[in-house]
Amino acid sequence: AQSVTQLGSHVSVSEGALVLLRCNYSSSVPPYLFWYVQYPNQGLQLLLKYTSAATLVKGINGFEAEFKKSETSFHLTKPSAHMSDAAEYFCAVSLGSEFYFGTGTSLTVIP
Amino acid sequence: DGGITQSPKYLFRKEGQNVTLSCEQNLNHDAMYWYRQDPGQGLRLIYYSQIVNDFQKGDIAEGYSVSREKKESFPLTVTSAQKNPTAFYLCASQGFWGNQPQHFGDGTRLSIL
Repeated sequence: AQSVTQLGSHVSVSEGALVLLRCNYSSSVPPYLFWYVQYPNQGLQLLLKYTSAATLVKGINGFEAEFKKSETSFHLTKPSAHMSDAAEYFCAVSLGSEFYFGTGTSLTVIP
Repeated sequence: DGGITQSPKYLFRKEGQNVTLSCEQNLNHDAMYWYRQDPGQGLRLIYYSQIVNDFQKGDIAEGYSVSREKKESFPLTVTSAQKNPTAFYLCASQGFWGNQPQHFGDGTRLSIL
């Protein structure tokens, strides 16, 4: 069973526009949720994490994500896209001893 | 600074050859992981280890082998039985189950000569 789903394998935004990357999880118990960013030929870098404290989580590089239990979602947003945000983004969920990654969303920023 | 070191950055394999990818961490993490990433695709789990001298197969373990003799080290061997080894390999570690994220190395890109 798929534990985390990222909607949209490719997203394009104009520079300065809102970035919205979608992530939904499937779990009957509250999970721990993470967003990672990957630049070409590099490893994954942690952007932010939700660990059952505040539902709005702020991360690095101006990104934030909101945990919505009713919608089983953890979407990643940034108010204004920058050219340097172009990368691959992965949502991940930790359920007990298991860690699951989404299939990733490639973000393109158009100048 | 604490982190995960993968080496080499680039590796080439000849036909019938085994190659070993190194992964070392100084984060004092118990769990370590190996993932394979193909172009435009997500991460696929090869092997993982929760404790020294113990490891489990992931989703695509065939053609790969690992060892965990030390807490800090988790080398991956790509054997000649792996017929399509060209990929980007990522090593990760995690401190405690649950609310801790996985931390990643910078990866090794393996190609066939």
